[in-house]
Amino acid sequence: EPEVTQTPSHQVTQMGQEVILRCVPISNHLYFYWYRQILGQKVEFLVSFYNNEISEKSEIFDDQFSVERPDGSNFTLKIRSTKLEDSAMYFCATLTGREETQYFGPGTRLLVL
Amino acid sequence: AQSVAQPEDQVNVAEGNPLTVKCTYSVSGNPYLFWYVQYPNRGLQFLLKYITGDNLVKGSYGFEAEFNKSQTSFHLKKPSALVSDSALYFCAVRGGRSDKLIFGTGTRLQVFP
Repeated sequence: EPEVTQTPSHQVTQMGQEVILRCVPISNHLYFYWYRQILGQKVEFLVSFYNNEISEKSEIFDDQFSVERPDGSNFTLKIRSTKLEDSAMYFCATLTGREETQYFGPGTRLLVL
Repeated sequence: AQSVAQPEDQVNVAEGNPLTVKCTYSVSGNPYLFWYVQYPNRGLQFLLKYITGDNLVKGSYGFEAEFNKSQTSFHLKKPSALVSDSALYFCAVRGGRSDKLIFGTGTRLQVFP
């Protein structure tokens, strides 16, 4: 069964550094999402992306964040200058557009020191 | 504003007994409701959803959930719990014109042998 994959599984970075988190969606999926889960807290929506444009973004998704689909397969989340409070598990999710279920990847655990 | 409440942080149940994990929601318009399960160090795995139709929906691993519009609830149930069902369960809602998922805070299910 096709799955959403994410790399890396873990990343440790210094505050102020840039990080890029990568997601490979299920092949026929057209809608892409990033969510994050700070340790011990609930899963929060960051951004949705369709047809090479951001569809919706949350208040969390400020100018330090960006998303793109550079090569038609990977879907990336970039944090330009990481802060301590960016430490979280980041989940990619994808959707076909013909049904309503978002399928999640295994997540990238980001630790900012 | 859209929201999801999972009133129990933890539910404990003996193996073989029925289990219920509670969820209530608030959303404008008709809700799309979902249950996801998260095993340790894993991503979010889709269990079941309610979009329209029968109020009782069946999902993976013997789980089911009942949509109750008057009580704005979508409780997750299983007739006979297994130790392997022990995990973190998230209720999520999608509503209005947005396709983002709003998650509850999660309920940890512990099934004792």
